[in-house]
Amino acid sequence: GQQVMQIPQYQHVQEGEDFTTYCNSSTTLSNIQWYKQRPGGHPVFLIQLVKSGEVKKQKRLTFQFGEAKKNSSLHITATQTTDVGTYFCAGRDGGSQGNLIFGKGTKLSVKP
Amino acid sequence: GAVVSQHPSRVICKSGTSVKIECRSLDFQATTMFWYRQFPKKSLMLMATSNEGSKATYEQGVEKDKFLINHASLTLSTLTVTSAHPEDSSFYICSARDWGRANYGYTFGSGTRLTVV
Repeated sequence: GQQVMQIPQYQHVQEGEDFTTYCNSSTTLSNIQWYKQRPGGHPVFLIQLVKSGEVKKQKRLTFQFGEAKKNSSLHITATQTTDVGTYFCAGRDGGSQGNLIFGKGTKLSVKP
Repeated sequence: GAVVSQHPSRVICKSGTSVKIECRSLDFQATTMFWYRQFPKKSLMLMATSNEGSKATYEQGVEKDKFLINHASLTLSTLTVTSAHPEDSSFYICSARDWGRANYGYTFGSGTRLTVV
């Protein structure tokens, strides 16, 4: 079945450093979504990418969807302590009605 | 934005008892809701897809007789953990999508932390 792999599993950075998490799917995705889960909280939707090669920005966050629509990345510039949490990618297969398959997540910790 | 309310947030129960978790879409109708289980420091594992007015679709390896799902209305889905055992202790989260909003992702409930003693 479809698998969504995400790396790294953990990332420790100094405040101000950049951070990137990568997501790869075993199959072509119709779209990919990114979520953030703060410690003790629930996942919160960040963004959805649909088009091949799409790049979207949200302030210090840059999201990319690969040309083949099988990989994606989330890059945070100049991390802040408020960025702490686990970032999940989630891919949708089988058209827009397909189930979301979540990656294992990347847990980001930021040292002030 | 779309809001999903999940209740209770925490529950402690004795082994052998049943626990019901509710998931409500507050400002939209959800014909489909999703139930996930999350182990500590792990990702979200889809357990089942709840369909309004019909049977839920369970993922492979999930016991349908143990995790009973009912989606009786367009705004409410319930997950009942029957004859709970300590290994059922986990964080259960529901989610739904407001299909009336084009680019919105899934909205998650705040989760239910179940502890079986």
